[in-house]
Amino acid sequence: DQQVKQNSPSLSVQEGRISILNCDYTNSMFDYFLWYKKYPAEGPTFLISISSIKDKNEDGRFTVFLNKSAKHLSLHIVPSQPGDSAVYFCAARHPQGGSEKLVFGKGTKLTVNP
Amino acid sequence: EAQVTQNPRYLITVTGKKLTVTCSQNMNHEYMSWYRQDPGLGLRQIYYSMNVEVTDKGDVPEGYKVSRKEKRNFPLILESPSPNQTSLYFCASSLYAGGSAGELFFGEGSRLTVL
Repeated sequence: DQQVKQNSPSLSVQEGRISILNCDYTNSMFDYFLWYKKYPAEGPTFLISISSIKDKNEDGRFTVFLNKSAKHLSLHIVPSQPGDSAVYFCAARHPQGGSEKLVFGKGTKLTVNP
Repeated sequence: EAQVTQNPRYLITVTGKKLTVTCSQNMNHEYMSWYRQDPGLGLRQIYYSMNVEVTDKGDVPEGYKVSRKEKRNFPLILESPSPNQTSLYFCASSLYAGGSAGELFFGEGSRLTVL
């Protein structure tokens, strides 16, 4: 079963507008949520995270919102820039007996058009 | 420069020919992990290691082996590669298991094709 879901494989927005990437999860034990960005021919890089005890975390143009009751988080990019075009992975962490690991979504490809 | 280095970056091989993908990190990280990325499936964990001599299976460990004899190195071994192991592989590390919040540092990836 897929515990972290990114239901939109792709998203296209205009430069300067807001990009909203969504992620749903099923496991209420997850305690941290993260977003990674991946450019072609490169490894993913960490972008922003949020603890399950918070509902918002902001870093410059990037804001992550967490709605625990809906088991939903979203990444907002404002304003979007062409350099933001990449695949974005949502990830969730749950502690399991001291061994912690991340569960990744399938990714959403964002294209920001000039 | 802090980095995770994988080799080779690209490899084409044939079914059954043993191969090793090396991974090395220079950040003194305790935690290391291997992922594979396939179209429509995202990133799936193969194996991970909490520290030297401590390894465990991830979600898709079949057909793979790992070892962690030194803190900096975490090689991925395919004893008898098959075409379904054609994929893009990423090694990742973090200071502690899962990182401070799960923040992983990834290598640039190794694209493996098994004919």
